[in-house]
Amino acid sequence: DQQVKQNSPSLSVQEGRISILNCDYTNSMFDYFLWYKKYPAEGPTFLISISSIKDKNEDGRFTVFLNKSAKHLSLHIVPSQPGDSAVYFCAASAGFYGNNRLAFGKGNQVVVIP
Amino acid sequence: DAGVTQSPTHLIKTRGQQVTLRCSPKSGHDTVSWYQQALGQGPQFIFQYYEEEERQRGNFPDRFSGHQFPNYSSELNVNALLLGDSALYLCASSLGRDREVYGYTFGSGTRLTVV
Repeated sequence: DQQVKQNSPSLSVQEGRISILNCDYTNSMFDYFLWYKKYPAEGPTFLISISSIKDKNEDGRFTVFLNKSAKHLSLHIVPSQPGDSAVYFCAASAGFYGNNRLAFGKGNQVVVIP
Repeated sequence: DAGVTQSPTHLIKTRGQQVTLRCSPKSGHDTVSWYQQALGQGPQFIFQYYEEEERQRGNFPDRFSGHQFPNYSSELNVNALLLGDSALYLCASSLGRDREVYGYTFGSGTRLTVV
């Protein structure tokens, strides 16, 4: 049962343009959402997160938007850079403590073309 | 400051065999979680260890078991291996006492191939 869904498995974008990744979730208990970035042969690294009490969180070139009523979140990367080429995972948690399990989506492959 | 260390990096086993994977958490972390990432899928939660006890468990059979040692390092054991157990096994460490989730640090994983 996939509680976190990421469609459009791959995305190609020109350097300098915006990358938009989408994520949907089904579990109403989820109240904390994270995006992870993964390079080949490395573990996922934390990128940005958002609590359900907010609808937007921004960190440099990365912005995450949350629409609770639609159970939808998105990650915007602008401007996209070649170093952003990686797999991006959306993850969700019921609670925002370090002992909470994460539910991950299948990931989106992003390729930034120089 | 070393991050999460996993060993071995790659492993090939035969169906029916048993395997042990190891994880050393990031310095200062006391909680270890294990995830399985099959090809083309996102990581799936297996279980979590804190204070040498299994605190949470995902939807995995009893063939998957673990252990945490007093120095917080952890082992994941899988018995009676199946072809479907072939995956990347990720270890993540964190602080278990009410710290924010983005405190998770992942290791690079162990790639297990069952033939």
